[in-house]
Amino acid sequence: QKEVEQDPGPLSVPEGAIVSLNCTYSNSAFQYFMWYRQYSRKGPELLMYTYSSGNKEDGRFTAQVDKSSKYISLFIRDSQPSDSATYLCAMSAGGTSYGKLTFGQGTILTVHP
Amino acid sequence: DGGITQSPKYLFRKEGQNVTLSCEQNLNHDAMYWYRQDPGQGLRLIYYSQIVNDFQKGDIAEGYSVSREKKESFPLTVTSAQKNPTAFYLCASGNYRGLQPQHFGDGTRLSIL
Repeated sequence: QKEVEQDPGPLSVPEGAIVSLNCTYSNSAFQYFMWYRQYSRKGPELLMYTYSSGNKEDGRFTAQVDKSSKYISLFIRDSQPSDSATYLCAMSAGGTSYGKLTFGQGTILTVHP
Repeated sequence: DGGITQSPKYLFRKEGQNVTLSCEQNLNHDAMYWYRQDPGQGLRLIYYSQIVNDFQKGDIAEGYSVSREKKESFPLTVTSAQKNPTAFYLCASGNYRGLQPQHFGDGTRLSIL
């Protein structure tokens, strides 16, 4: 079983829809949680970074972490065609793990005009 | 602007040949990382370095080598021992304790001739 499982998708939604992207994890040592967006042939771009349970909002994006259930989500409101990309969840135990990230396999999102 | 520069964008390797991928950062980050990305998979860690002249193997280090002679630079050599080198290679930098998220370059796509 992988340490991080991400809903594989692909996901196709109409413009303006609310998108929910999800990851579960098995390692209770994970403390830091990230969402990256990756456009085709580009490097991942950091969208959200959080280290506590609860919600963190940034514009149209909301990251949700539930450490008790080992579950994280990214919500995108009012989705736009420019949001079409691969979304990667990543997490780290911090401390002596030297910042090593464990990634989900990514969810491909397409937003149709 | 601060960032991570990877070069070249595209690289071709012949049988029995070693090739070196360049990664330079001007973010003043202590730690640097190399990941490999295959289609439909998340990123897998090849090597990482927390400080100059020190580096550790990640999850898939076989067939790869690195050096860290300067804080800003972390080149990756794909040796002829790596039998399946075709992939997208991503370099990242960050705080070695994972207290800050990693930032990525735009990758090098390596193919076999």
